[in-house]
Amino acid sequence: QKEVEQNSGPLSVPEGAIASLNCTYSDRVSQSFFWYRQYSGKSPELIMSIYSNGDKEDGRFTAQLNKASQYVSLLIRDSQPSDSATYLCAVSSGNTGKLIFGQGTTLQVKP
Amino acid sequence: DAGVTQSPTHLIKTRGQQVTLRCSPKSGHDTVSWYQQALGQGPQFIFQYYEEEERQRGNFPDRFSGHQFPNYSSELNVNALLLGDSALYLCASSSSAGGYEQYFGPGTRLTVT
Repeated sequence: QKEVEQNSGPLSVPEGAIASLNCTYSDRVSQSFFWYRQYSGKSPELIMSIYSNGDKEDGRFTAQLNKASQYVSLLIRDSQPSDSATYLCAVSSGNTGKLIFGQGTTLQVKP
Repeated sequence: DAGVTQSPTHLIKTRGQQVTLRCSPKSGHDTVSWYQQALGQGPQFIFQYYEEEERQRGNFPDRFSGHQFPNYSSELNVNALLLGDSALYLCASSSSAGGYEQYFGPGTRLTVT
């Protein structure tokens, strides 16, 4: 079992729709959770961090965390073609900051 | 406010050679982590440096070594390069003062032939 799992996709949504990206993790002591966006040929860009159960909203992005189910999700409202990228889920346990990444989900937003 | 910088951008080396990659953290950050990202995969943690010492290490052989300087910049050294070392090498910086958010530099694309 991989430590952090994501569906590689591609996930295709029409412009203006809600894109839902999911991630599960295996280490119950994980404390910090992150979503990164990576455009092709570029480096990962941090878009959301979440540390407590529940929802965290930032503009069109909402991160959801359920520690009991070991599940993290990212919702993108009003998806735009510019949101087309690979979204990486990352998990950290303890206070050393080592990030464990999933393989990423490719999102395609079609005009 | 300067972000994380890395050099060089691209590098081509031959098997068996040695390579040094460099990273300067974001202003105000004192911790540097290095990751290797193979094509189509998520980044894999190599090691993290804080206060000029390796604080944590991932599952990488001793051919991978690093250093952190008093100004918090860092180097990643890889000896005896293998074809499988071809990847995007990413440096991420963070602050020990609060939060665990890591910000990535643009990366160095290493090709081993």
